[in-house]
Amino acid sequence: DTAVSQTPKYLVTQMGNDKSIKCEQNLGHDTMYWYKQDSKKFLKIMFSYNNKELIINETVPNRFSPKSPDKAHLNLHINSLELGDSAVYFCASSQSSEPQHFGDGTRLSIL
Amino acid sequence: AQSVTQPDIHITVSEGASLELRCNYSYGATPYLFWYVQSPGQGLQLLLKYFSGDTLVQGIKGFEAEFKRSQSSFNLRKPSVHWSDAAEYFCAVGATDSWGKLQFGAGTQVVVTP
Repeated sequence: DTAVSQTPKYLVTQMGNDKSIKCEQNLGHDTMYWYKQDSKKFLKIMFSYNNKELIINETVPNRFSPKSPDKAHLNLHINSLELGDSAVYFCASSQSSEPQHFGDGTRLSIL
Repeated sequence: AQSVTQPDIHITVSEGASLELRCNYSYGATPYLFWYVQSPGQGLQLLLKYFSGDTLVQGIKGFEAEFKRSQSSFNLRKPSVHWSDAAEYFCAVGATDSWGKLQFGAGTQVVVTP
């Protein structure tokens, strides 16, 4: 009965590879988000979708491409992974002006 | 654009003692304010929120926070900490004109000693 679930929890891969992280929420929320938390625990929003429409797109390299097949899912695909992409990526969701609910994160390590 | 500052990177407190975590924000209008807690290896859990109304808000796990417009602050307090309160605490501010774009502080790590 997890509210916001991300897969995988851990992802270890080589530089240059392409990988995807999946996120699903069962809260019926209309908005979903991706955040990046760096090694110093700093959290920064990357993208947000509202009802499958992109509404927030921060200055993120275009190697990062979010996709929202429906309002319950928001996936993140990353091309040509670089060392600096190593971080914890959090998915979150919210309904209108209510607070955001976060998943447990995906720890991405680039070798 | 909004911003938020958590002046204390690290706080050590004895179990049973009181705790206060500072948060200062910068925003032209009345912001939405939040405190989240992150335990090791976990996601962020909402402790409390301020949207409007009573400036003293109660949250989960015995936490409370007070919004002080004159000081642009939203400090988090707990009268008596438990060992399980050891975690990273984040203050966040949201703008009324761009709801979902939360700006997070750098976090305060709380260590609880016996």
